[in-house]
Amino acid sequence: DADVTQTPRNRITKTGKRIMLECSQTKGHDRMYWYRQDPGLGLRLIYYSFDVKDINKGEISDGYSVSRQAQAKFSLSLESAIPNQTALYFCATSDLLSTETQYFGPGTRLLVL
Amino acid sequence: KQEVTQIPAALSVPEGENLVLNCSFTDSAIYNLQWFRQDPGKGLTSLLLIQSSQREQTSGRLNASLDKSSGRSTLYIAASQPGDSATYLCAVETSGSRLTFGEGTQLTVNP
Repeated sequence: DADVTQTPRNRITKTGKRIMLECSQTKGHDRMYWYRQDPGLGLRLIYYSFDVKDINKGEISDGYSVSRQAQAKFSLSLESAIPNQTALYFCATSDLLSTETQYFGPGTRLLVL
Repeated sequence: KQEVTQIPAALSVPEGENLVLNCSFTDSAIYNLQWFRQDPGKGLTSLLLIQSSQREQTSGRLNASLDKSSGRSTLYIAASQPGDSATYLCAVETSGSRLTFGEGTQLTVNP
């Protein structure tokens, strides 16, 4: 089984709809991240969490919110989706030490019409 | 603000060729630099992580170097194979475990 899972894998929605993307991990890591990837722009950090009670905004948090329901679960919400939020979304986890890399989920491809 | 640039954006080579991917970053205050591989429909897979105090890391046919003072890293792939075809992403970690990514180099290795 994959260490970091994301649901759904693909989603098509309409402008103005509320969408939730979910991430679960079995690695036992405290730190979790949400990124979006757009063609030609690489990955950009949306939100990150160092533990259940710690939530931080990343580079592009406007229009998004997150919830850390448990150590293993980190959800990303689009309260009112807009077309320029069409992107590939990745969840990642990491351990405390900077000697450790981040482990990524398979991604969620979101299309907002 | 940290900025990461990767050159070239795309590269196509014949099988067996040795190749170099380049990464540059603007702020040398980094904890580490990482190279990832991304395959279509899949997440990112970490290839190599170089701590800021290190100069290089090797894994099989891959060798990554880091020159922190000049803000540069290279990923060297020896004897390339069609299975190496993927997008390669460079990322630097700054304070707060935050990764800043480059745009990636799309590599195609032709049989």
